[in-house]
Amino acid sequence: SQQGEEDPQALSIQEGENATMNCSYKTSINNLQWYRQNSGRGLVHLILIRSNEREKHSGRLRVTLDTSKKSSSLLITASRAADTASYFCATDTNNDMRFGAGTRLTVKP
Amino acid sequence: EPEVTQTPSHQVTQMGQEVILRCVPISNHLYFYWYRQILGQKVEFLVSFYNNEISEKSEIFDDQFSVERPDGSNFTLKIRSTKLEDSAMYFCASARTDYNEQFFGPGTRLTVL
Repeated sequence: SQQGEEDPQALSIQEGENATMNCSYKTSINNLQWYRQNSGRGLVHLILIRSNEREKHSGRLRVTLDTSKKSSSLLITASRAADTASYFCATDTNNDMRFGAGTRLTVKP
Repeated sequence: EPEVTQTPSHQVTQMGQEVILRCVPISNHLYFYWYRQILGQKVEFLVSFYNNEISEKSEIFDDQFSVERPDGSNFTLKIRSTKLEDSAMYFCASARTDYNEQFFGPGTRLTVL
Protein backbone atom coordinates (compact mmCIF):
# COMPACT_ATOMS: atom_id res chain seq x y z
CA SER A 1 0.00 0.00 0.00
CA GLN A 2 1.11 3.57 -0.60
CA GLN A 3 3.01 5.12 2.28
CA GLY A 4 4.53 8.52 1.55
CA GLU A 5 2.26 11.19 0.11
CA GLU A 6 3.85 14.35 -1.23
CA ASP A 7 2.19 17.71 -1.25
CA PRO A 8 1.85 19.65 -3.47
CA GLN A 9 1.71 17.46 -6.57
CA ALA A 10 3.21 20.28 -8.63
CA LEU A 11 5.04 23.46 -7.71
CA SER A 12 6.19 26.24 -10.01
CA ILE A 13 8.46 29.02 -8.73
CA GLN A 14 10.91 31.62 -9.98
CA GLU A 15 14.65 31.14 -9.75
CA GLY A 16 15.94 32.40 -6.42
CA GLU A 17 12.79 31.60 -4.50
CA ASN A 18 12.54 28.84 -1.91
CA ALA A 19 10.62 25.65 -2.58
CA THR A 20 8.94 23.64 0.17
CA MET A 21 7.59 20.15 -0.39
CA ASN A 22 5.79 18.11 2.22
CA CYS A 23 5.42 14.41 2.79
CA SER A 24 2.99 12.57 5.04
CA TYR A 25 2.99 8.92 5.90
CA LYS A 26 0.89 6.47 7.83
CA THR A 27 2.93 3.97 9.81
CA SER A 28 6.04 3.99 12.00
CA ILE A 29 9.30 4.29 10.11
CA ASN A 30 13.00 3.62 10.58
CA ASN A 31 14.00 6.51 8.38
CA LEU A 32 12.67 8.77 5.66
CA GLN A 33 14.56 9.60 2.50
CA TRP A 34 14.16 12.22 -0.17
CA TYR A 35 15.04 11.49 -3.78
CA ARG A 36 15.15 13.51 -6.92
CA GLN A 37 14.37 12.29 -10.41
CA ASN A 38 15.05 14.16 -13.59
CA SER A 39 12.63 13.28 -16.34
CA GLY A 40 13.17 9.71 -17.48
CA ARG A 41 16.31 9.26 -15.40
CA GLY A 42 17.17 7.24 -12.32
CA LEU A 43 16.54 8.33 -8.79
CA VAL A 44 19.21 10.33 -7.00
CA HIS A 45 19.37 10.18 -3.24
CA LEU A 46 19.28 13.59 -1.54
CA ILE A 47 18.96 13.16 2.21
CA LEU A 48 18.21 10.42 4.73
CA ILE A 49 16.73 11.44 8.07
CA ARG A 50 16.38 8.86 10.83
CA SER A 51 13.32 8.54 13.00
CA ASN A 52 15.17 10.00 16.01
CA GLU A 53 16.30 13.08 14.09
CA ARG A 54 14.28 16.25 13.65
CA GLU A 55 16.25 18.24 11.08
CA LYS A 56 19.09 17.76 8.61
CA HIS A 57 20.87 20.06 6.23
CA SER A 58 22.80 19.39 3.06
CA GLY A 59 23.89 22.42 1.07
CA ARG A 60 20.74 24.25 -0.02
CA LEU A 61 18.53 21.42 1.23
CA ARG A 62 16.85 21.31 4.61
CA VAL A 63 14.74 18.37 5.73
CA THR A 64 12.57 18.21 8.81
CA LEU A 65 10.84 15.22 10.33
CA ASP A 66 7.94 15.28 12.78
CA THR A 67 7.21 11.71 13.82
CA SER A 68 4.29 12.78 16.02
CA LYS A 69 2.55 14.20 12.94
CA LYS A 70 4.05 11.58 10.61
CA SER A 71 5.25 14.26 8.26
CA SER A 72 8.42 15.57 6.67
CA SER A 73 9.31 18.60 4.63
CA LEU A 74 12.01 19.31 2.09
CA LEU A 75 13.09 22.92 1.66
CA ILE A 76 15.24 23.97 -1.26
CA THR A 77 16.60 27.47 -0.74
CA ALA A 78 17.66 29.89 -3.47
CA SER A 79 16.31 27.60 -6.18
CA ARG A 80 17.93 27.31 -9.61
CA ALA A 81 16.53 26.26 -12.97
CA ALA A 82 18.62 23.08 -12.65
CA ASP A 83 16.54 22.10 -9.59
CA THR A 84 13.63 21.39 -11.94
CA ALA A 85 12.79 17.71 -11.31
CA SER A 86 10.41 15.43 -9.46
CA TYR A 87 11.06 15.00 -5.76
CA PHE A 88 10.00 11.87 -3.91
CA CYS A 89 9.91 11.00 -0.26
CA ALA A 90 10.38 7.39 0.65
CA THR A 91 9.68 5.78 3.98
CA ASP A 92 11.77 2.88 5.17
CA THR A 93 10.01 0.41 7.46
CA ASN A 94 11.92 -2.79 8.19
CA ASN A 95 13.74 -2.88 4.87
CA ASP A 96 10.59 -2.13 2.89
CA MET A 97 10.77 1.18 1.03
CA ARG A 98 7.59 2.96 -0.01
CA PHE A 99 7.59 5.95 -2.29
CA GLY A 100 5.07 8.69 -2.70
CA ALA A 101 3.82 9.94 -6.03
CA GLY A 102 6.25 12.85 -6.00
CA THR A 103 6.16 16.61 -6.33
CA ARG A 104 6.97 18.02 -9.73
CA LEU A 105 9.05 21.16 -9.18
CA THR A 106 9.53 23.65 -12.00
CA VAL A 107 11.96 26.50 -11.46
CA LYS A 108 11.62 29.23 -14.06
CA PRO A 109 14.74 31.18 -15.01
CA GLU B 1 32.89 6.96 -7.28
CA PRO B 2 31.28 3.49 -7.31
CA GLU B 3 27.86 3.26 -8.88
CA VAL B 4 25.08 0.80 -9.57
CA THR B 5 24.86 -0.20 -13.20
CA GLN B 6 21.98 -1.78 -15.08
CA THR B 7 21.72 -3.50 -18.45
CA PRO B 8 20.17 -3.18 -20.88
CA SER B 9 19.11 0.45 -20.79
CA HIS B 10 16.09 -0.38 -22.95
CA GLN B 11 14.47 -3.76 -23.55
CA VAL B 12 11.65 -4.35 -26.00
CA THR B 13 9.86 -7.69 -25.85
CA GLN B 14 6.72 -9.41 -27.04
CA MET B 15 3.93 -10.18 -24.61
CA GLY B 16 4.40 -13.63 -23.10
CA GLN B 17 8.17 -13.62 -23.44
CA GLU B 18 10.58 -13.91 -20.56
CA VAL B 19 12.96 -11.07 -19.77
CA ILE B 20 15.92 -10.82 -17.46
CA LEU B 21 17.00 -7.43 -16.22
CA ARG B 22 20.51 -7.20 -14.92
CA CYS B 23 22.08 -5.08 -12.24
CA VAL B 24 25.57 -4.82 -10.85
CA PRO B 25 25.32 -3.37 -7.34
CA ILE B 26 28.13 -1.52 -5.59
CA SER B 27 30.70 -4.13 -4.63
CA ASN B 28 30.68 -3.89 -0.82
CA HIS B 29 26.90 -3.57 -0.55
CA LEU B 30 24.88 -6.34 1.01
CA TYR B 31 21.26 -5.27 0.47
CA PHE B 32 19.67 -5.21 -2.96
CA TYR B 33 16.37 -3.90 -4.23
CA TRP B 34 14.21 -3.72 -7.31
CA TYR B 35 11.70 -0.96 -7.97
CA ARG B 36 9.54 -0.10 -10.93
CA GLN B 37 8.03 3.10 -12.22
CA ILE B 38 5.21 2.97 -14.72
CA LEU B 39 5.40 6.00 -16.99
CA GLY B 40 4.04 9.05 -15.21
CA GLN B 41 3.40 7.20 -11.98
CA LYS B 42 5.17 6.80 -8.67
CA VAL B 43 8.11 4.56 -7.95
CA GLU B 44 6.96 1.25 -6.49
CA PHE B 45 8.91 -1.16 -4.34
CA LEU B 46 9.09 -4.70 -5.71
CA VAL B 47 11.50 -6.69 -3.59
CA SER B 48 14.48 -6.54 -1.24
CA PHE B 49 17.17 -9.20 -1.09
CA TYR B 50 19.77 -10.01 1.53
CA ASN B 51 21.97 -13.01 2.25
CA ASN B 52 20.81 -14.79 -0.90
CA GLU B 53 17.16 -14.64 -0.08
CA ILE B 54 14.20 -12.33 -0.38
CA SER B 55 13.74 -10.13 2.70
CA GLU B 56 10.57 -8.34 1.72
CA LYS B 57 8.34 -8.25 -1.33
CA SER B 58 5.36 -6.18 -2.30
CA GLU B 59 2.01 -7.31 -3.61
CA ILE B 60 3.24 -6.48 -7.11
CA PHE B 61 5.96 -9.13 -6.87
CA ASP B 62 3.86 -12.16 -7.77
CA ASP B 63 4.82 -15.56 -9.13
CA GLN B 64 5.85 -14.21 -12.51
CA PHE B 65 8.75 -12.36 -10.88
CA SER B 66 11.91 -13.83 -9.46
CA VAL B 67 15.26 -12.48 -8.36
CA GLU B 68 18.64 -14.07 -8.26
CA ARG B 69 22.21 -13.28 -7.38
CA PRO B 70 23.86 -15.85 -9.64
CA ASP B 71 27.42 -14.81 -8.83
CA GLY B 72 29.21 -12.35 -6.61
CA SER B 73 28.43 -9.33 -8.72
CA ASN B 74 25.14 -9.57 -10.61
CA PHE B 75 21.61 -9.19 -9.27
CA THR B 76 18.87 -10.10 -11.72
CA LEU B 77 15.14 -9.64 -12.00
CA LYS B 78 13.33 -12.18 -14.17
CA ILE B 79 9.82 -11.67 -15.47
CA ARG B 80 8.60 -15.04 -16.69
CA SER B 81 5.74 -14.21 -19.01
CA THR B 82 5.55 -10.49 -19.65
CA LYS B 83 2.28 -8.62 -19.85
CA LEU B 84 1.55 -5.27 -21.43
CA GLU B 85 1.20 -3.74 -17.98
CA ASP B 86 4.78 -4.74 -17.11
CA SER B 87 5.98 -1.90 -19.34
CA ALA B 88 7.85 0.43 -16.98
CA MET B 89 11.23 1.64 -15.83
CA TYR B 90 12.85 -0.88 -13.52
CA PHE B 91 15.36 0.45 -11.03
CA CYS B 92 17.86 -1.58 -9.10
CA ALA B 93 19.32 -0.23 -5.86
CA SER B 94 21.86 -1.40 -3.33
CA ALA B 95 22.83 -0.41 0.19
CA ARG B 96 25.65 -1.26 2.53
CA THR B 97 23.33 -1.95 5.44
CA ASP B 98 19.59 -2.01 5.86
CA TYR B 99 19.55 1.47 7.41
CA ASN B 100 21.87 3.21 4.98
CA GLU B 101 20.91 5.14 1.92
CA GLN B 102 20.15 3.18 -1.18
CA PHE B 103 22.08 3.88 -4.35
CA PHE B 104 20.01 3.59 -7.49
CA GLY B 105 21.00 2.49 -10.94
CA PRO B 106 19.95 4.43 -14.04
CA GLY B 107 17.10 2.03 -14.76
CA THR B 108 16.04 -0.30 -17.56
CA ARG B 109 13.10 0.78 -19.67
CA LEU B 110 11.02 -2.31 -20.45
CA THR B 111 8.53 -2.06 -23.28
CA VAL B 112 6.14 -4.97 -23.76
CA LEU B 113 4.39 -5.06 -27.13
